[in-house]
Amino acid sequence: AQTVTQSQPEMSVQEAETVTLSCTYDTSESDYYLFWYKQPPSRQMILVIRQEAYKQQNATENRFSVNFQKAAKSFSLKISDSQLGDAAMYFCASPPIGGSNYKLTFGKGTLLTVNP
Amino acid sequence: DTAVSQTPKYLVTQMGNDKSIKCEQNLGHDTMYWYKQDSKKFLKIMFSYNNKELIINETVPNRFSPKSPDKAHLNLHINSLELGDSAVYFCASSLGLASIQETQYFGPGTRLLVL
Repeated sequence: AQTVTQSQPEMSVQEAETVTLSCTYDTSESDYYLFWYKQPPSRQMILVIRQEAYKQQNATENRFSVNFQKAAKSFSLKISDSQLGDAAMYFCASPPIGGSNYKLTFGKGTLLTVNP
Repeated sequence: DTAVSQTPKYLVTQMGNDKSIKCEQNLGHDTMYWYKQDSKKFLKIMFSYNNKELIINETVPNRFSPKSPDKAHLNLHINSLELGDSAVYFCASSLGLASIQETQYFGPGTRLLVL
């Protein structure tokens, strides 16, 4: 069963505007990390940001921040001051329900378009 | 310096052939992975090795055989290639066994096309 859900297959944003990509997950772990990866047309998978589930403070990396709501198992990514180079497929990842502790499950991705 | 490298980047081959993809990481990580990304961009783990030992083997046809000669290398050999094997294959590595806590660093991917 899919344990990471990205409900927006595609999103678009105007350059310099803010966009939020949503992600919900389900896991049986009590202590875990969550990740957002970016895949531009070059195909390279690039870590954008990660969140430690035991920390209440939302992670921030420059223009990228998360809204982490542990009880709701929600982990959205906010991109501020969007730039053309932000155009990419964005994947959310979390540990899965049950099974091995040693793997991540990825969502199906959100394709972000940045309009000039 | 490339942290996680894969060769080749592109691979075009005929059905029924056997091919290998190589992966090397120079990050000093103990854990390495192979992922398959299909045409719909869905990324799914195939295998994981920790310090040369297999720890994850998802439901993958046994035509796929990973080999880890040392902890810096994880190669993927595919026998009797089928059309459905066409995909992008990513290698990744992370620091240690507790991969739920460790960031995974990805290679550039190998685009395999089976004709």
